[in-house]
Amino acid sequence: QVQLVQSGAEVKKPGASVKVSCKASGYTFTSFDINWVRQATGQGLEWMGWMDPNSGNIGYEQKFQGRVTMTRDTSISTAYMELSSLTSEDTAVYYCARPQGGKTVNYYYGMDFWGQGTTVTVSS
Amino acid sequence: SYVLTQPPSVSVAPGQTARITCGGDNIGSKSVHWYQQKPGQAPVLVVYDDSDRPSEIPERFSGSNSGSPATLTISRVEAGDEADYYCQVWDSSSDHYVFGAGTKVTVL
Repeated sequence: QVQLVQSGAEVKKPGASVKVSCKASGYTFTSFDINWVRQATGQGLEWMGWMDPNSGNIGYEQKFQGRVTMTRDTSISTAYMELSSLTSEDTAVYYCARPQGGKTVNYYYGMDFWGQGTTVTVSS
Repeated sequence: SYVLTQPPSVSVAPGQTARITCGGDNIGSKSVHWYQQKPGQAPVLVVYDDSDRPSEIPERFSGSNSGSPATLTISRVEAGDEADYYCQVWDSSSDHYVFGAGTKVTVL
């Protein structure tokens, strides 16, 4: 069965970086993009961007440009999202998600599988 | 940037019908997806491409998008349907996804 398993909770100081992993199983990792979505406590969902594990192509939400880096290691079917220059406003649960249509730009499809979420806390 | 507007909350009695709206500029030309999120859990896709439903989602969940607003309808509401619901579209002008702010459905 399809699973996306994320790394554990992180506590970081302001100005630091965090790298969250998302290990895929149950399907061909390179056939589906990985999207990243975050949610601050008590707030709504916020889309951060996407990555094509096959090509490495990426698309970032403008708000995160210059601070976010999405990468992958196809040998272990794992995607990564690194966010730098952290502030308290980056405290949130970060999710990876798979678009059911394979490619993010195939926008007739939603995201059918999600990771369990990784809590990132930024505090001095 | 593209904005999706949802009501903050909807209340419904068990067995009745809940309707959750999602408004946006020319939303009828976009493909709308809906997610259900319960506390402490990841979102679950309940409707995609305006009105299609993943196989594991009950038929009680349906969607429409014939113009503003798009609507998610939950028929014969059950206590287990109490959750936050988010709409989502792809904004082709900026090549990014947009989520609505979410609607909290309370089952009375």
